[in-house]
Amino acid sequence: EAGVAQSPRYKIIEKRQSVAFWCNPISGHATLYWYQQILGQGPKLLIQFQNNGVVDDSQLPKDRFSAERLKGVDSTLKIQPAKLEDSAVYLCASSFQGTGVVGSEAFFGQGTRLTVV
Amino acid sequence: GDSVTQMEGPVTLSEEAFLTINCTYTATGYPSLFWYVQYPGEGLQLLLKATKADDKGSNKGFEATYRKETTSFHLEKGSVQVSDSAVYFCALRGVSGGYNKLIFGAGTRLAVHP
Repeated sequence: EAGVAQSPRYKIIEKRQSVAFWCNPISGHATLYWYQQILGQGPKLLIQFQNNGVVDDSQLPKDRFSAERLKGVDSTLKIQPAKLEDSAVYLCASSFQGTGVVGSEAFFGQGTRLTVV
Repeated sequence: GDSVTQMEGPVTLSEEAFLTINCTYTATGYPSLFWYVQYPGEGLQLLLKATKADDKGSNKGFEATYRKETTSFHLEKGSVQVSDSAVYFCALRGVSGGYNKLIFGAGTRLAVHP
């Protein structure tokens, strides 16, 4: 079974530039998550999709971050304009079962390491 | 809201030593609990999980028991190896607002020396 695919693996941009990350979840997984992991910290949930609908984006800085999941499959996360404090690893994860089922495992991609200079 | 608290690291042990990494949680209802591991240069992967009170999750010699009375899910291993050096994350998934949300602790770095 193919895992969660993310690209690019690394990205270096200057502040105020824009950047986009792509994620392809495991086939058939209804739930897709984007997390931000700052060095030395645990992953922080930015946005959670159930199929192609957003169920939680309470911690997404909506003035600069946006995300979409077209057709309920792959997803893109965009930052525009980037700030120095956005330097982090952006993790995408997916899980099979959706709302109300808490025991299912989330599978993670390798992440995209973003450096803003 | 729901949260997870882990003991701060780094934890430094000699090979074959006993490991405990403490994890406590706050959640409404009956969450599922997870331990994820992140090896150097790799992504997060599930180590073990427990879905109800008194369940014990186990994998690769690691164990953790879901203790509802103490709201804890401590990770243990009887004899660690150098290859266990990694960052360990405790996580919970609870149902809030009609959907399940996966929340992580800050992580505990483990370094095992020969």
